[in-house]
Amino acid sequence: GESVGLHLPTLSVQEGDNSIINCAYSNSASDYFIWYKQESGKGPQFIIDIRSNMDKRQGQRVTVLLNKTVKHLSLQIAATQPGDSAVYFCAGISGYSTLTFGKGTMLLVSP
Amino acid sequence: EPEVTQTPSHQVTQMGQEVILRCVPISNHLYFYWYRQILGQKVEFLVSFYNNEISEKSEIFDDQFSVERPDGSNFTLKIRSTKLEDSAMYFCASSGGAGGLWPQHFGDGTRLSIL
Repeated sequence: GESVGLHLPTLSVQEGDNSIINCAYSNSASDYFIWYKQESGKGPQFIIDIRSNMDKRQGQRVTVLLNKTVKHLSLQIAATQPGDSAVYFCAGISGYSTLTFGKGTMLLVSP
Repeated sequence: EPEVTQTPSHQVTQMGQEVILRCVPISNHLYFYWYRQILGQKVEFLVSFYNNEISEKSEIFDDQFSVERPDGSNFTLKIRSTKLEDSAMYFCASSGGAGGLWPQHFGDGTRLSIL
């Protein structure tokens, strides 16, 4: 089945730095991936998604890169702000509509 | 912006008791989901629901669990006889409005504590 995992459990950066959060997946049949942000006491909040026929997608201050050859996703956050501090999950489709989540990476942004 | 709302935010229940977790999905969405997150672990899929029936469910979603859409706005998860290991955050999600099947939008969850 789908397995989605994260390389680093915690990432600490300074405000203004660029952050890169990585994710590996095992199911090559997945055709859709999402990055979610989860703040303490809140549910996962959609950040950005990407389909498998793309290798890059940009949003406001965020970019997702997909490398299907090595089954790797990354989330880049430009000019990281303290409000970006949260746990970030990648998720991929398995089955018809099921999201399979990775365990998450904690992003800590210092002022 | 429309959002998924869940009640209660925290539910404390004695082991063996039944519990019902409630969700109001985004109004024009057609697909509904329940996920759970045990403390410190990843979010796990429980069940998806479309057209008044379950479309997918995980191994976690055994006979103790059921879902229902009793009216046009609510979506509930019932755990018939709770166990200690059911303690977790339960998230409801919905999708499938004008934006398409994806992405799923999540509520802020119900923290279920089984004593």
